[in-house]
Amino acid sequence: GQQVMQIPQYQHVQEGEDFTTYCNSSTTLSNIQWYKQRPGGHPVFLIQLVKSGEVKKQKRLTFQFGEAKKNSSLHITATQTTDVGTYFCAGLNYGQNFVFGPGTRLSVLP
Amino acid sequence: KAGVTQTPRYLIKTRGQQVTLSCSPISGHRSVSWYQQTPGQGLQFLFEYFSETQRNKGNFPGRFSGRQFSNSRSEMNVSTLELGDSALYLCASRVDQNSPLHFGNGTRLTVT
Repeated sequence: GQQVMQIPQYQHVQEGEDFTTYCNSSTTLSNIQWYKQRPGGHPVFLIQLVKSGEVKKQKRLTFQFGEAKKNSSLHITATQTTDVGTYFCAGLNYGQNFVFGPGTRLSVLP
Repeated sequence: KAGVTQTPRYLIKTRGQQVTLSCSPISGHRSVSWYQQTPGQGLQFLFEYFSETQRNKGNFPGRFSGRQFSNSRSEMNVSTLELGDSALYLCASRVDQNSPLHFGNGTRLTVT
């Protein structure tokens, strides 16, 4: 079945440093979504990417969807303590159910 | 608009028992999905219901079942509980197949 991998599993950064998490699917995706889960909370939708090679920005966050629609990345510029949490990618396959990656847990040291 | 509501928030059960979890989606959302979240396995898809019909199913044993009512509310049932069923169970609703998932706060199930 379809698998979605994410690296790294954990990332510790100093406040102000940049952070990137990578997501790779074993199959071509219809679209990909990114979610953030704060400690003790539930996943919250961040963004959806649909087109091959698409790039979207939300303030300090930049999201990319690969040309082959099998990989994606999330980059945070100048991290802040409010960025702490686990970032999940979720690939929507053509069978129309989401497959979540294992997540990247981000810690930001003040 | 009210968000996705899950009840109860916490549940403690004994091995062999069964449990029913409830989820009320956002008004107007006809799709409800269930996920199991554990530290070791991440977010695992259980099943999705749309207009009272199961549309997709993950790789979980038959002890895990669900249903959806005409008002879109959904229930998930786990029978013959095992220790490994201890997890956070998340429900999510969405408008249609290409829309984002809106998660509830989850039900934390502990099996002793």
